[in-house]
Amino acid sequence: DAKTTQPNSMESNEEEPVHLPCNHSTISGTDYIHWYRQLPSQGPEYVIHGLTSNVNNRMASLAIAEDRKSSTLILHRATLRDAAVYYCILANAGKSTFGDGTTLTVKP
Amino acid sequence: EAGVAQSPRYKIIEKRQSVAFWCNPISGHATLYWYQQILGQGPKLLIQFQNNGVVDDSQLPKDRFSAERLKGVDSTLKIQPAKLEDSAVYLCASRGSLAGVIEQFFGPGTRLTVL
Repeated sequence: DAKTTQPNSMESNEEEPVHLPCNHSTISGTDYIHWYRQLPSQGPEYVIHGLTSNVNNRMASLAIAEDRKSSTLILHRATLRDAAVYYCILANAGKSTFGDGTTLTVKP
Repeated sequence: EAGVAQSPRYKIIEKRQSVAFWCNPISGHATLYWYQQILGQGPKLLIQFQNNGVVDDSQLPKDRFSAERLKGVDSTLKIQPAKLEDSAVYLCASRGSLAGVIEQFFGPGTRLTVL
């Protein structure tokens, strides 16, 4: 399975933008890039996904490098409720392999 | 739309005992997943069903773990006998079958403690 590499932890101040990086140098042409997040004591929840082009939705933006070997999840204005573990995942044929994610701490 | 339901939410057993977890996916979702999440780690896929057939069970420890999805709806995951290292949260997720559907919906999980 293709692997992703994320920093173990990041900190942000409330109401500031957050850029969460992810490296996936072994990505294949048919792998989708997914982001999920997991709040404490809850199951993961879907955030956003993309294949080649940058994507925006109500929760976040996803910026994908031209060579697709890295991507960045952008939270435009972090809130305390965004404190969670963020997982960058490569998915193919309905199968997703989770790494250990980035723990985001948001400071008031 | 009701979410993925799991029960029980918590379970404490002693090693060598048996335990079963239940999952009810979102109505109409053909794909169902069971994940194991050890504290501090990301979820690890144990088994994936498409309707009532197994798509991937390569990481399921088949000497002690079993799962079934009769009638392609509810699913149960069983551990027999349990070991200390099975202490984890067991997550169930489901996904719709329409073309282009990506998102997995996760349940709240069952936290298993093996003493």
